[in-house]
Amino acid sequence: DGGITQSPKYLFRKEGQNVTLSCEQNLNHDAMYWYRQDPGQGLRLIYYSQIVNDFQKGDIAEGYSVSREKKESFPLTVTSAQKNPTAFYLCASSPTGGIDEKLFFGSGTQLSVL
Amino acid sequence: GNSVTQMEGPVTLSEEAFLTINCTYTATGYPSLFWYVQYPGEGLQLLLKATKADDKGSNKGFEATYRKETTSFHLEKGSVQVSDSAVYFCALSGSNDYKLSFGAGTTVTVRA
Repeated sequence: DGGITQSPKYLFRKEGQNVTLSCEQNLNHDAMYWYRQDPGQGLRLIYYSQIVNDFQKGDIAEGYSVSREKKESFPLTVTSAQKNPTAFYLCASSPTGGIDEKLFFGSGTQLSVL
Repeated sequence: GNSVTQMEGPVTLSEEAFLTINCTYTATGYPSLFWYVQYPGEGLQLLLKATKADDKGSNKGFEATYRKETTSFHLEKGSVQVSDSAVYFCALSGSNDYKLSFGAGTTVTVRA
């Protein structure tokens, strides 16, 4: 079945540690996105990529980094510079990144700080 | 910039009740409007969308009409079921950018 796979489902970070969240899609989509979900705040865009080897900052990129070396993969690294990383992280993709396109979401990763 | 405001929850209903979730937006140009639904422990799924004024999106008994004069996209369902319990997000994409702006989400609980 085609879809988006995020792993792990739960992740714990120690102080000063970088952690990487995985996102893989087999939908052959060009565009991929990372959103952060906090209770009562909806989703906020961290980074997005419309093509391999290119990505753009979203609204809350500070403390995060991404790479897009392959079309199907868009990993997100939460760095030690992100002081409040506890949140639910959602990866999404769309065929070309067009403004009317439906986003396909993964099932998310819950990140918590130890 | 673009923004979406939706009614605060949580909303608790009995089965077969009528559901309305209000959503208003601020945007330049002619945005596209969406409702996404998130079931417990899952990612979001597109529920319906409308791409121009007076369009009505519909799916699974839910409807929403793109009202440019009131800048609104309210979600309605005439008779809810327990399986409709979820968090509902209103969202818009601008007429000249690729980013979706989401509302804060409304938690709906339907009791048997």
